[in-house]
Amino acid sequence: DAKTTQPTSMDCAEGRAANLPCNHSTISGNEYVYWYRQIHSQGPQYIIHGLKNNETNEMASLIITEDRKSSTLILPHATLRDTAVYYCIVRPTLSGGSYIPTFGRGTSLIVHP
Amino acid sequence: EAGVAQSPRYKIIEKRQSVAFWCNPISGHATLYWYQQILGQGPKLLIQFQNNGVVDDSQLPKDRFSAERLKGVDSTLKIQPAKLEDSAVYLCASSSLQGARGADTEAFFGQGTRLTVV
Repeated sequence: DAKTTQPTSMDCAEGRAANLPCNHSTISGNEYVYWYRQIHSQGPQYIIHGLKNNETNEMASLIITEDRKSSTLILPHATLRDTAVYYCIVRPTLSGGSYIPTFGRGTSLIVHP
Repeated sequence: EAGVAQSPRYKIIEKRQSVAFWCNPISGHATLYWYQQILGQGPKLLIQFQNNGVVDDSQLPKDRFSAERLKGVDSTLKIQPAKLEDSAVYLCASSSLQGARGADTEAFFGQGTRLTVV
């Protein structure tokens, strides 16, 4: 499965946009990019996913480059509660109709006042 | 809808003792995962079930870890005997059988069980 590379840590001022990058240069044409986050002492939480087109939901926006080798998760107006570890995951080739989320170390985002 | 339930939240045991964790997935979710998360690292998959069958257990240390999912619903993960390096958070997650691309393919995680082996 394709591997992802993320910065270890980032910080952002409250109310500003947080842009979290992810490199996935070996991604295959049928593999999705998923983002999860994990707030301290909780389990990971799904944020968003995409294949080729940019995606937006109530939590975030996902920008995927045209060559699909990298993506950026955007939290448009970061709040203190967005402080968490953010994981970028490439969805492996499907088998039997389910996928296995495989996590790296992620990016620790700290939102400060 | 109710989320993934796990118990206990915390457990402290001595090395060489046994411990069991319980997970109740979201109703109707066919796929269940157990992950181990060591402090400072991302979650690592231990085992994946599809209904009551094992899909992937390649990273499960089978000499001491075992898991079952009787009747394809609840699941238990057991460690016997525990070692110091087993200290971690054990996360259970579930997802529905995926069809077309969409949010139903996401995995929902429980809060985890924090195990400390002393």
